[in-house]
Amino acid sequence: EVQLLESGGGLVQPGGSLRLSCAASGFTFSSLSMYWVRQAPGKGLEWVSGITGDGGTYYGDSVKGRFTISRDNSKNMLFLQMNSLRAEDTALYYCARLVGVSNFDHWGQGTLVTVSS
Amino acid sequence: IVMTQSPATLSVSPGERATLSCRASQSVNSNLAWYQHKPGQGPRLLIYSASTRATDIPARFSGSGSGTEFTLTISSLQSEDFAVYFCHQYKNWPRTFGPGTKVDIK
Repeated sequence: EVQLLESGGGLVQPGGSLRLSCAASGFTFSSLSMYWVRQAPGKGLEWVSGITGDGGTYYGDSVKGRFTISRDNSKNMLFLQMNSLRAEDTALYYCARLVGVSNFDHWGQGTLVTVSS
Repeated sequence: IVMTQSPATLSVSPGERATLSCRASQSVNSNLAWYQHKPGQGPRLLIYSASTRATDIPARFSGSGSGTEFTLTISSLQSEDFAVYFCHQYKNWPRTFGPGTKVDIK
C-alpha cells in the first residue's frame, strides 16, 4: 500500500525557516517524481515544488529563491526547506506522487504551516 | 491558465445525479483531471485525460469535455461522495487547479 506521511509543519515568524519532510512507502520511490502542493486557507490548490527521481527540480514562481526541494532515495524521503517565510506561505502542505503526464495518484494528509508574528 | 468551476456549492440528495462544470481560460485539449477532496485527507484522483477513470474509481463517476469546457458527472450520489471536487489542467506551466465545487447534502 502506498503511503505518504508529512511532518515538520508548525508556527513560524515571518522571515523564519521550516523544513518539511515526507516519508514514502509501498512503492519504488526513486523512480517517480514527487511534489509539494499547498492549499492556503479558503484558497485552491497550488503546485509548490517538485523533483524527479534523478534530481531535476521545479519551483512555482511564488517560492523560487526561497524554497529548496530535495530527496533521499536511500531513505524514501522527500524534503522541502522553506526560508524567508511570508504570511502568504501559510497553508496545508501536501506531499504527492506524480504519475503519467502530470497527475497525482497518491497524496499525504498534509502538514500545516502557519507564518505569523 | 485560469480554471473556474461552477457552481461553487451544489446541494444534492443521495441517489440523485450531480453535474459539475469546469472551464479553462484557454484550451487545455484533454489535459484535464478531477480530484475529490475530503476534510482531513489528501485529494483523490478521480479522472484524468478528461474522461479516463483512475484506478479503483467507481463507474458512477464520469468525465467529459475537451478544449475549455469540462464536466464531471456523478450518476447516483452515495453518502461517501459528499466532498469538494477540483479540476486541474496540466497542459501548460504553471499547472493550475480550479477553486472547487462543494457537493453537500440537500
